[in-house]
Amino acid sequence: ILNVEQSPQSLHVQEGDSTNFTCSFPSSNFYALHWYRWETAKSPEALFVMTLNGDEKKKGRISATLNTKEGYSYLYIKGSQPEDSATYLCAFMGSNTGKLIFGQGTTLQVKP
Amino acid sequence: NAGVTQTPKFQVLKTGQSMTLQCAQDMNHEYMSWYRQDPGMGLRLIHYSVGAGITDQGEVPNGYNVSRSTTEDFPLRLLSAAPSQTSVYFCASSDNWGDLNTEAFFGQGTRLTVV
Repeated sequence: ILNVEQSPQSLHVQEGDSTNFTCSFPSSNFYALHWYRWETAKSPEALFVMTLNGDEKKKGRISATLNTKEGYSYLYIKGSQPEDSATYLCAFMGSNTGKLIFGQGTTLQVKP
Repeated sequence: NAGVTQTPKFQVLKTGQSMTLQCAQDMNHEYMSWYRQDPGMGLRLIHYSVGAGITDQGEVPNGYNVSRSTTEDFPLRLLSAAPSQTSVYFCASSDNWGDLNTEAFFGQGTRLTVV
């Protein structure tokens, strides 16, 4: 059974705060690591797909880093806004599988 | 573009009843998957398919069957519904995982209650 763990489980921050979450995954047989944003009553939408050790990706105020050797990825949000409130999911894909395995998510609440 | 379409959006079943959750995608994606979402547990993989005629089990396959006779459709069958199958079900599809930057696209979800 693959273990994909996310921390913290939930986070409450004030508007303007910067924050980060962690995703840990198996360090062997790595193929790709995905990050998704999931708003209440909607479907998950992809933020990043990361494939190479040392990858850094950015979309607006959100960025992510990847360390495949030690099996972790960080997602950073700079200057959080209320519209950033959502659950952030990471998902791991191992090599030679068709399976995308998700962590349990980090729920972010940004207070105005 | 319709993307990934799931039907129905809501369903209430009695224990022991059977039903099929439908999932269709119009993006010619090879990979399709079914997930269930329960509070505090993220998305758990039920079954997945890497192409027409090919299916495999995920993390929580018991009580569910799938088939993939066409590229477009990937129905999920509950053979004898149990209260433990009360959940929100999501279907996802993606292009060939061989393209490393391929993301998954999700349907709108089916909220199933088994009483």
